[in-house]
Amino acid sequence: QSVLTQPPSVSAAPGQKVTISCSGSSSNIGNNYVSWYQQLPGTAPKLLIYDNNKRPSGIPDRFSGSKSGTSATLGITGLQTGDEADYYCGTWDSSLNIVVFGGGTKLTVL
Amino acid sequence: EVQLVESGGGLVQPGGSLRLSCAASGFTFSSYWMTWVRQAPGKGLEWVANIRHDGGTKYYVDSVKGRFTISRDNDKNSLSLQMNSLRAEDTAVYYCARELWGKYSDFWSGYSDYWGQGTLVTVSS
Repeated sequence: QSVLTQPPSVSAAPGQKVTISCSGSSSNIGNNYVSWYQQLPGTAPKLLIYDNNKRPSGIPDRFSGSKSGTSATLGITGLQTGDEADYYCGTWDSSLNIVVFGGGTKLTVL
Repeated sequence: EVQLVESGGGLVQPGGSLRLSCAASGFTFSSYWMTWVRQAPGKGLEWVANIRHDGGTKYYVDSVKGRFTISRDNDKNSLSLQMNSLRAEDTAVYYCARELWGKYSDFWSGYSDYWGQGTLVTVSS
């Protein structure tokens, strides 16, 4: 069982918007920055969002991140079939002294 | 261009050992934390260990403490993971990644911005 909780799956139609939640506690999300990763089928994870809401160079602004208290959210607008992937949140846990990830959310673009 | 290339994976019997390597290029290796993250078949990501840029600090997930050792050779731009007393539950694709760390307003910022393609470790008799 993961320290961070994500919904196992979400789905939406092409062109629509979807949000993926990530719930934690004061020892992780509540007091540290959150990052998000996209893992396309059969490939390595790719950084999408860091420091809660910043996008690395090359990541389109269709992807956004936010944090409130002990929860974080990834938003994706203008969904494309190429966005079908697993999405993971991650952060440092100050009590465990390790990086913790959510269990992952599978996005299906119907 | 940043590149991370893992090697050393394979099939090993329970109780056996394996050493993974990660060759880094395209950046100043000695300036960055590095990490190993694994993914069991059909499962999510699990952070395994990381090491400070100078090798002076290391962290491990509890499930590998005392069995796995992370190390680095900054002269050779290389990261390693020595895995001993392997168990079936260690079966996974192992990724090496570059980590960035900082502390802002008392909050830790840590994330992996570049990842290798992964190497598969299978522990089975």
